[in-house]
Amino acid sequence: GEDVEQSLFLSVREGDSSVINCTYTDSSSTYLYWYKQEPGAGLQLLTYIFSNMDMKQDQRLTVLLNKKDKHLSLRIADTQTGDSAIYFCAESFTGGGNKLTFGTGTQLKVEL
Amino acid sequence: NAGVTQNPKFQVLKTGQSMTLQCAQDMNHNSMYWYRQDPGMGLRLIYYSASEGTTDKGEVPNGYNVSRLNKREFSLRLESAAPSQTSVYFCASTDIRGLGDEQYFGPGTRLTVT
Repeated sequence: GEDVEQSLFLSVREGDSSVINCTYTDSSSTYLYWYKQEPGAGLQLLTYIFSNMDMKQDQRLTVLLNKKDKHLSLRIADTQTGDSAIYFCAESFTGGGNKLTFGTGTQLKVEL
Repeated sequence: NAGVTQNPKFQVLKTGQSMTLQCAQDMNHNSMYWYRQDPGMGLRLIYYSASEGTTDKGEVPNGYNVSRLNKREFSLRLESAAPSQTSVYFCASTDIRGLGDEQYFGPGTRLTVT
C-alpha cells in the first residue's frame, strides 16, 4: 500500500520562507501534487510535478522532488497571512483512474 | 460555472439512520470521486467513478454505496449510519488526460452521527 506522511504543524513569521515536507513510499507514482485547504473549504490545487522532474518553480512556490529518498517539499517564499491553511501532498499513478493518495496534511500558521 | 456543488452542507444523523449526499459538477468531467476527511488522516478515497456508468471501490468503501446518476451527478449513500462515519465528505471531479490532471473539489458536507 501507499503511505504519504507529513508533519502536522508549521509556524512561520510573515515574510519568512516556509518549507513543507512530504515523504512517500510508492516509487511508481506518476505525478505529485500540492493542494491547499482554507478553513471550511474544499481543496484547491497549488501546483504539481511530474515524477521525472527534480524541481518546479511557480511564482512564490518551489517544489523539489528527491526520488531516491522519496521526498517532496513545497517552499513558499515571502509567506503571507493569506497562506495560512492546511497543505496536502498527494500522488497519482498511471492507469489508476487518477486516484489520489493524500498525505496527512500540514497546518501552516503565519504569524505577524 | 458553479464547479462542484454538494448538498447538504451540514447534517446530523442518529445511529442507524440513512441518508444520501449529493454531488454535481458542471465542467463536463468524466471522473468523479468521494473522499472523507478525518483529523490527522488526510483525505481517504471512498468510491470513484472513472466514467459515466462505472463505479469502483476506493480505500474505505465499507458502509457506503454510490450511484453515478449521469455524467454530472455522483451520490454517496449511507444505509445505516454509524458514529465512525462522522466526518467531512468531499466530492471531486476531473478529466483524465495524463497531464497532472487537477481534481476540483466541492465545499464539503459535514456529517455528525450521534
